[in-house]
Amino acid sequence: KNEVEQSPQNLTAQEGEFITINCSYSVGISALHWLQQHPGGGIVSLFMLSSGKKKHGRLIATINIQEKHSSLHITASHPRDSAVYICAVRSSAGTASKLTFGTGTRLQVTL
Amino acid sequence: KAGVTQTPRYLIKTRGQQVTLSCSPISGHRSVSWYQQTPGQGLQFLFEYFSETQRNKGNFPGRFSGRQFSNSRSEMNVSTLELGDSALYLCASSLLTERNTEAFFGQGTRLTVV
Repeated sequence: KNEVEQSPQNLTAQEGEFITINCSYSVGISALHWLQQHPGGGIVSLFMLSSGKKKHGRLIATINIQEKHSSLHITASHPRDSAVYICAVRSSAGTASKLTFGTGTRLQVTL
Repeated sequence: KAGVTQTPRYLIKTRGQQVTLSCSPISGHRSVSWYQQTPGQGLQFLFEYFSETQRNKGNFPGRFSGRQFSNSRSEMNVSTLELGDSALYLCASSLLTERNTEAFFGQGTRLTVV
């Protein structure tokens, strides 16, 4: 079992729909990151969370430390949101500073 | 403020050759981590350098190595290239203080081994 599990793997939505991507993890963490990757490869960091909720524009990220679960929400989705969204955790163990990644959720938003 | 810069962006090498990739972190960031992304394995951690010292290493063979210079720029080297080393190699820089562990990624170097 992977340390970081994401669902769904693939998601197709129509423009304007509300989208939720889920991430569950099995290790103790110091932070959880939501990343966005467009075709071509570059990765953009959307959020870094250690508790609660963060909002940036149409994007909202929440985390429940007790349940080891995080969600990324996109309100009023738009075709430019089409990308792969990746959840990554930074372990709290020792001096561990590496990120462990989920397999990503491929989002396609159509007109 | 300049972002994380990786060079080159694209590279084609032959099996058996070696390759060196470069990563210049955001100014002031002392931590540089390297990741490999393949369609089959997704994103996997290679190693992390902090103040010129390797602090953490992923589960990759010894052919994969790296180093960090005093200006925090980092290089990774892959020797005796194999076809399976074809991947997108990403680096990320962080301040990595107790309160700030946000990672900033470069655009990656796409390596193709033929």
